[in-house]
Amino acid sequence: DTAVSQTPKYLVTQMGNDKSIKCEQNLGHDTMYWYKQDSKKFLKIMFSYNNKELIINETVPNRFSPKSPDKAHLNLHINSLELGDSAVYFCASSQDIEALKTQYFGPGTRLLVL
Amino acid sequence: DAKTTQPNSMESNEEEPVHLPCNHSTISGTDYIHWYRQLPSQGPEYVIHGLTSNVNNRMASLAIAEDRKSSTLILHRATLRDAAVYYCILRGADGLTFGKGTHLIIQP
Repeated sequence: DTAVSQTPKYLVTQMGNDKSIKCEQNLGHDTMYWYKQDSKKFLKIMFSYNNKELIINETVPNRFSPKSPDKAHLNLHINSLELGDSAVYFCASSQDIEALKTQYFGPGTRLLVL
Repeated sequence: DAKTTQPNSMESNEEEPVHLPCNHSTISGTDYIHWYRQLPSQGPEYVIHGLTSNVNNRMASLAIAEDRKSSTLILHRATLRDAAVYYCILRGADGLTFGKGTHLIIQP
């Protein structure tokens, strides 16, 4: 069974569209994250949610809005997509926010904005 | 910004040990040292972590300098499946901050 799953795996869309990426974890974790990996392969944290509450919100355009309907899900909605949003987006989860806790990553969603 | 320094790439032969270095001279007392790796077209995968003492698990060993300003990830017998980008990360209260990592190439 997949611990952290994301859908879709690939997403190709036009500039200006609105799209969502879904993430689910079946590990019973309290904390979930979204990371962005750009074309240069740099991985940067975007958001962190703990018990459905926003903990970390890095410098991310407000076109990106995470939504956590419950502890097992953290979805990412992106409005007015731009070319620069093309990247691989990874969802992750950890038992809680403590520094020693392992993060488990999903397989990634490859977003291409045309 | 990344707070660790790693070589861009390293090459090793299959079945030989690999020592991946990491410098983190600005580490704080509460920062844990985490290592993750990312295989091609996959998400990052946890390898090992430690605070002060050396650590061993089924995947690797982590040797931490006494002053904690550097650490070394040790793969005891590298296989082709270990070819990946290895990230050394300091984690405090926020999420993981990934640097450029070390691209490990394994020669058969």
